Amino acid sequence: DADVTQTPRNRITKTGKRIMLECSQTKGHDRMYWYRQDPGLGLRLIYYSFDVKDINKGEISDGYSVSRQAQAKFSLSLESAIPNQTALYFCATSDAGTGVTDTQYFGPGTRLTVL
Amino acid sequence: AQSVTQLDSQVPVFEEAPVELRCNYSSSVSVYLFWYVQYPNQGLQLLLKYLSGSTLVKGINGFEAEFNKSQTSFHLRKPSVHISDTAEYFCAVSSPGGSEKLVFGKGTKLTVNP
Repeated sequence: DADVTQTPRNRITKTGKRIMLECSQTKGHDRMYWYRQDPGLGLRLIYYSFDVKDINKGEISDGYSVSRQAQAKFSLSLESAIPNQTALYFCATSDAGTGVTDTQYFGPGTRLTVL
Repeated sequence: AQSVTQLDSQVPVFEEAPVELRCNYSSSVSVYLFWYVQYPNQGLQLLLKYLSGSTLVKGINGFEAEFNKSQTSFHLRKPSVHISDTAEYFCAVSSPGGSEKLVFGKGTKLTVNP
């Protein structure tokens, strides 16, 4: 079974709709991240969470919100989707407890299309 | 602020040829450096990382990278590529003891042709 799972894998929605992307992990990591990937732009950080009570904005948080429901779950919401939020979204986790930090483990991605 | 520049957006090579994917970084503090690979329709996975110590780092699938502090570079190399190495490769940087966020480059698409 995959250590980092994302649901849904694909989603098509309309402008103005509220969308939630979910991420779950079985790695026992404290840290979770949401990125978006656009062709030619690489990955950009949307939000990150170092534990359930610690949530931080990343590079491009406008138009997005997150919820860390538990250590293993981190959801990304688009309150009112717009077409330029069409992208591939990745969740990632990392474990800062081993002293070897910053190796991030990625989920398979969610392809979101906003019409 | 940190940044990463991947100098080539696309690199086509023939099978069994050597390849180098270039990465330069900008940072005012010491760094950790990473290469991630993304195979078609998959998430990213770690190829190798430099945290400290030896500047030549060996990773999975025969890849290696060399940290050059004076040139602020961390180029990825493989002496002989296979068709299965076709993927997008991302260089990333973070800082020890800081926020520990990763900053990614824009990626280099490696296409290995028969």
